[in-house]
Amino acid sequence: QSVLTQPPSVSGAPGQRVTISCTGSSSNIGAGYDVHWYQQLPGTAPKLLIYGNTNRPSGVPDRFSGSKSGTSASLAITGLQAEDEADYYCQSYDSSLSDWVFGGGTKLTVL
Amino acid sequence: EVQLVESGGGLVQPGGSLRLSCAASGFTFSSYAMHWVRQPPGKGLEYVSAISPNGGITYYASSVKGRFTISRDNSKNTLYLQMGSLRTEDMAVYYCTRRKGTVTTGSLDYWGQGTLVTVSS
Repeated sequence: QSVLTQPPSVSGAPGQRVTISCTGSSSNIGAGYDVHWYQQLPGTAPKLLIYGNTNRPSGVPDRFSGSKSGTSASLAITGLQAEDEADYYCQSYDSSLSDWVFGGGTKLTVL
Repeated sequence: EVQLVESGGGLVQPGGSLRLSCAASGFTFSSYAMHWVRQPPGKGLEYVSAISPNGGITYYASSVKGRFTISRDNSKNTLYLQMGSLRTEDMAVYYCTRRKGTVTTGSLDYWGQGTLVTVSS
């Protein structure tokens, strides 16, 4: 069981907006540690999608956005496209474990 | 262009050892902390180990502490993971990653393509 909880799957039609939640606790997200998001396309290595809760690396479309509130964070994808179909992971730091922690991952299906 | 290229994966028997390498290029290797992250077949990502830019500080997940050793050779721009007493649950694709930022705030901004470690008799 992952320290950060994500829904196993989400889906949406092309052009729609979807959100993926990442729920933590007072020792990680709630303690103020940054949340980062990674996208893993089928058969490839993960790629940094959002860092520092809300920031996009160069080259990441502005259709992707991140937010954080309390002990949770969210990834929003607007204008859904077929190529967005992938697994998405959140990641943060946990002070109780003194470890970096990942969410269990969410599979996005574009209908 | 930042590149991280892992090697050294393969088939090993339970209880055996293996050393992974990660050749880095396209950036000042000695300025960045580096991490190993693994992904068991069909499962999610798991942090394994991390090392500071000069190699003086290392971190390990509890699942590998005492069995794995992370190290780096900044003169060769290479990161290593020495794995011992391997178990079937260590079977995974192992990714070499670069950390951007501090221990508690950093993200993993570049990833290698991964190398598969299979633990089986």
